[in-house]
Amino acid sequence: GIQVEQSPPDLILQEGANSTLRCNFSDSVNNLQWFHQNPWGQLINLFYIPSGTKQNGRLSATTVATERYSLLYISSSQTTDSGVYFCAAANDYKLSFGAGTTVTVRA
Amino acid sequence: DGGITQSPKYLFRKEGQNVTLSCEQNLNHDAMYWYRQDPGQGLRLIYYSQIVNDFQKGDIAEGYSVSREKKESFPLTVTSAQKNPTAFYLCASSTRLAGDEQYFGPGTRLTVT
Repeated sequence: GIQVEQSPPDLILQEGANSTLRCNFSDSVNNLQWFHQNPWGQLINLFYIPSGTKQNGRLSATTVATERYSLLYISSSQTTDSGVYFCAAANDYKLSFGAGTTVTVRA
Repeated sequence: DGGITQSPKYLFRKEGQNVTLSCEQNLNHDAMYWYRQDPGQGLRLIYYSQIVNDFQKGDIAEGYSVSREKKESFPLTVTSAQKNPTAFYLCASSTRLAGDEQYFGPGTRLTVT
């Protein structure tokens, strides 16, 4: 399966700050997803982005498939953005997950 | 309301007992998946199913079994052969197998003592 590496492992932000999370993957992909895991464990779909750029409110994501990386941007962070962000990639059936980035936003 | 439901939310069992986790979806999705998450880690694939009456092993299938008798349902049995069954279990579904966006249920936390 694909190897997925996320960085940084931990991120502490002051409310209102911007940040970038990175996801590197080891092979070409037909699926690249970003998730936010809330404190109850639910995985919330943020982006389905095997290539290109998408935006949803204060969040945006870019995948450069030829260079095998994806970036998640959080702008004007809020305390509700806290949690673990996962990147997952697949080139067939199996979605391989990174270890996650734990984001803590302080008021 | 379309979505994926998993029950129960919390499950406690004694070592040596088999336990079955429920996963139901009303999204009319063909493919369904079971993942396991251990503390501080990402998810790992246990089993997946493309269609009714067909399923395949994922990376960590040992000690688990599944069935897919209905399109909407994909129950997971954690058997006594699973050496470290305590974990958070998540079910997912997608419209077809490879490449499509996967959606996740709320998960079941299993504790075996």
